Amino acid sequence: DVVMTQTPLSSPVTLGQPASMSCRSSQSLVHSDGNTYLSWLQQRPGQPPRLLIYKISNRVSGVPDRFSGSGAGTDFTLNISRVEAEDVGVYYCMQATHFPPVTFGGGTKVEIK
Amino acid sequence: QVQLVQSGTEVKKPGSSVKVSCKASGGTLNSHSINWVRRAPGQGLEWMGRIIPILGIAHSAQHFQDRVTIAADTSSSTAFMELTSLRSEDTAIYFCAGSTGEGLGAFDVWGQGTMVTVSS
Repeated sequence: DVVMTQTPLSSPVTLGQPASMSCRSSQSLVHSDGNTYLSWLQQRPGQPPRLLIYKISNRVSGVPDRFSGSGAGTDFTLNISRVEAEDVGVYYCMQATHFPPVTFGGGTKVEIK
Repeated sequence: QVQLVQSGTEVKKPGSSVKVSCKASGGTLNSHSINWVRRAPGQGLEWMGRIIPILGIAHSAQHFQDRVTIAADTSSSTAFMELTSLRSEDTAIYFCAGSTGEGLGAFDVWGQGTMVTVSS
């Protein structure tokens, strides 16, 4: 199974400042069809996860443009350009290239300083 | 867009089984795959399995293979996940999650979650 490793575990951020988190996979996530099925999800306290970004960098409709995804191969990054209070929660990367199974990173917790 | 509505909280004894349902509201399951994901207290997300309802094809994670059954009833647009031989470590919130776009490779629709507590 593909192991997804996220860093940092926790990211205390000042409101209005940027935040960045990393996701590394144990093997390349490039699928034989040429796509890379790496997505990012946000889970706010007490809520189900919410898809933010799919295929590395495609933002879901309605997701603020302060969220951006980048990367290739085995190394991926989620950036938040200016953290707002509503961004508090746990962020997960997920790979669906090497299915089954789908695997998730352990999560990065974003909290306000 | 379709919404996924899950069944309510469950409290179970060790060794028993639980069956959680996930109904599509405002649409059908026909164009989706439905996945089951759980989050145990203090843990991250764990994928349990998937079904493509219109085809009736299901996959389960190796970790659960002997204990989990994933099924769907297209006539009622409802998917089901049954977990047997419950133990305390199965205490978690269970989510169904749909992938609604062709080639999306991601879960863009989520149920609200079902809390399952396993305790003697």
